Amino acid sequence: EDQVTQSPEALRLQEGESSSLNCSYTVSGLRGLFWYRQDPGKGPEFLFTLYSAGEEKEKERLKATLTKKESFLHITAPKPEDSATYLCAVLGSGGSNYKLTFGKGTLLTVNP
Amino acid sequence: AAGVIQSPRHLIKEKRETATLKCYPIPRHDTVYWYQQGPGQDPQFLISFYEKMQSDKGSIPDRFSAQQFSDYHSELNMSSLELGDSALYFCASSGAGGQYNEQFFGPGTRLTVL
Repeated sequence: EDQVTQSPEALRLQEGESSSLNCSYTVSGLRGLFWYRQDPGKGPEFLFTLYSAGEEKEKERLKATLTKKESFLHITAPKPEDSATYLCAVLGSGGSNYKLTFGKGTLLTVNP
Repeated sequence: AAGVIQSPRHLIKEKRETATLKCYPIPRHDTVYWYQQGPGQDPQFLISFYEKMQSDKGSIPDRFSAQQFSDYHSELNMSSLELGDSALYFCASSGAGGQYNEQFFGPGTRLTVL
């Protein structure tokens, strides 16, 4: 069964203080790794898809990278509006073509 | 850009009542997914439909059923509601083919069972 572990569970940063979130995964045949941002009481907002080790994608202050065992979401010079829960999810080939398996998320708080 | 639409946004029901949640996917998306998210939990996959046929089933109780209609909208029917069914219910949609495509989530329906 696919498994996703995110760390840390919570991260508090000062505005401008760069850091990284980790997503470790176990999957039988990775078909995609997805990063989402979720604000309280709202639906997950799609950020990135990564398909193969070595792939990188960037969007504003966020950069996602992928290895064979984990993915990192790097946040450069964060702002208070980056505060949210960041979810990592995987789509594997071990049975379901459709089911995303999510991690528990990292709650990021950026203080001004 | 058009997003996934869900209705109602909030729903309050009594135990043993029934509830129907609706989802309207992004235009030209043919695959719909339903997820349940409890307080402080990650989203859990319930069921999905591709081209109006059930494509996968997750941890969906037998009391729940769902379908996708000819216009691609989907409804999640929940019967004999229990207190533990209180959660956020998200619908997501993806484009042609379904596989490998990004799932875009709606704003969710917050169901409270009293």
